[in-house]
Amino acid sequence: EAGVAQSPRYKIIEKRQSVAFWCNPISGHATLYWYQQILGQGPKLLIQFQNNGVVDDSQLPKDRFSAERLKGVDSTLKIQPAKLEDSAVYLCASRNGAGGRNEQFFGPGTRLTVL
Amino acid sequence: AQSVAQPEDQVNVAEGNPLTVKCTYSVSGNPYLFWYVQYPNRGLQFLLKYITGDNLVKGSYGFEAEFNKSQTSFHLKKPSALVSDSALYFCAGGSGGYQKVTFGTGTKLQVIP
Repeated sequence: EAGVAQSPRYKIIEKRQSVAFWCNPISGHATLYWYQQILGQGPKLLIQFQNNGVVDDSQLPKDRFSAERLKGVDSTLKIQPAKLEDSAVYLCASRNGAGGRNEQFFGPGTRLTVL
Repeated sequence: AQSVAQPEDQVNVAEGNPLTVKCTYSVSGNPYLFWYVQYPNRGLQFLLKYITGDNLVKGSYGFEAEFNKSQTSFHLKKPSALVSDSALYFCAGGSGGYQKVTFGTGTKLQVIP
């Protein structure tokens, strides 16, 4: 079974530029998450999708971050414009089923550096 | 609001000795709890989970965790540590249906040869 795929793996941009990350979840997984992991901290949920609908985006900085999951499969996360404090690893995860009791499967992450 | 705490930033243990990585939780209702491991430049990898049933949960790579409702704890344990167990360990918890899972801040485990 193929795992969660993310690209790019690394990205370096200047502040105020825009950037996009892509995630392809495990086939058949209806739930998809985007997390922000700042160095030395645990993953912080940015947005949770159930199929192509948003379940939770309460911690997504909506003035600069946006995410979509067209057709309930792949997802993209965009930052526009980026700030220095956005430097972090962005993790995508997917989960089988609708309940929170199932474990999440994580991709390798995208390491973003904002200069 | 739910929360998960990992009181130790780092745990050092000698190879072959037992290890414990601590986790406490605060969630409403019946909790479900997870342990994940993260190796350098990798995503998180699932180790084990508690949903209901036996308080002692066994997982991957010889790890186990004990759910203690009265102490609201879910400590990760292994009888004999390996150098290859050195990594960052995250506890996570939640309750209910769609409610999000909250992650702890992580504990770096260093197994010394």
